[in-house]
Amino acid sequence: GAGVSQSPSNKVTEKGKDVELRCDPISGHTALYWYRQSLGQGLEFLIYFQGNSAPDKSGLPSDRFSAERTGGSVSTLTIQRTQQEDSAVYLCASSWDMNTEAFFGQGTRLTVV
Amino acid sequence: GENVEQHPSTLSVQEGDSAVIKCTYSDSASNYFPWYKQELGKGPQLIIDIRSNVGEKKDQRIAVTLNKTAKHFSLHITETQPEDSAVYFCAASISSNYQLIWGAGTKLIIKP
Repeated sequence: GAGVSQSPSNKVTEKGKDVELRCDPISGHTALYWYRQSLGQGLEFLIYFQGNSAPDKSGLPSDRFSAERTGGSVSTLTIQRTQQEDSAVYLCASSWDMNTEAFFGQGTRLTVV
Repeated sequence: GENVEQHPSTLSVQEGDSAVIKCTYSDSASNYFPWYKQELGKGPQLIIDIRSNVGEKKDQRIAVTLNKTAKHFSLHITETQPEDSAVYFCAASISSNYQLIWGAGTKLIIKP
């Protein structure tokens, strides 16, 4: 595709359930980022991938959060045993390399009820 | 670590007037400073960026200035139009570090 694609666009889940969010970056982009954005707030960094490796996972809020990237392309962010405070928009971005323009997807709006 | 502060949090200007948003950063090694615009329901989009080897960059109605000594950079939008209404984020990073450090955002409102 022409841009970063995220799915689903919206997800409503019950507290305690697991969810999986998907990001398809722009083809050829080696860097991939996950951010979380609460309503009316700024961007909270979660994790960064360079290829399939995640040099820094310190942004993940708790051990319920995990992410992987395969084949240097698609990435999935998994949240286990979701809590209401996990409700937010999860944004994915990709770039050719670090410190170059990051292209964002539309985000996945997660609502935990 | 790096910290980026952004002001104001909300800015309301009359259509046709100029808008200025300011950011300060803490790490003097920072050398890349992008500005992103986020419209409602969309992801942020890069509108302009500047690297530390220049002091100013302009693209039509948008300009960014950088003062390395004072460690601050600003976004200037001239002749504002209704479609400029959005949330604007500044960020800073060091070339040896992958991570962009983001400001908290400025909600820009253009009054007709």
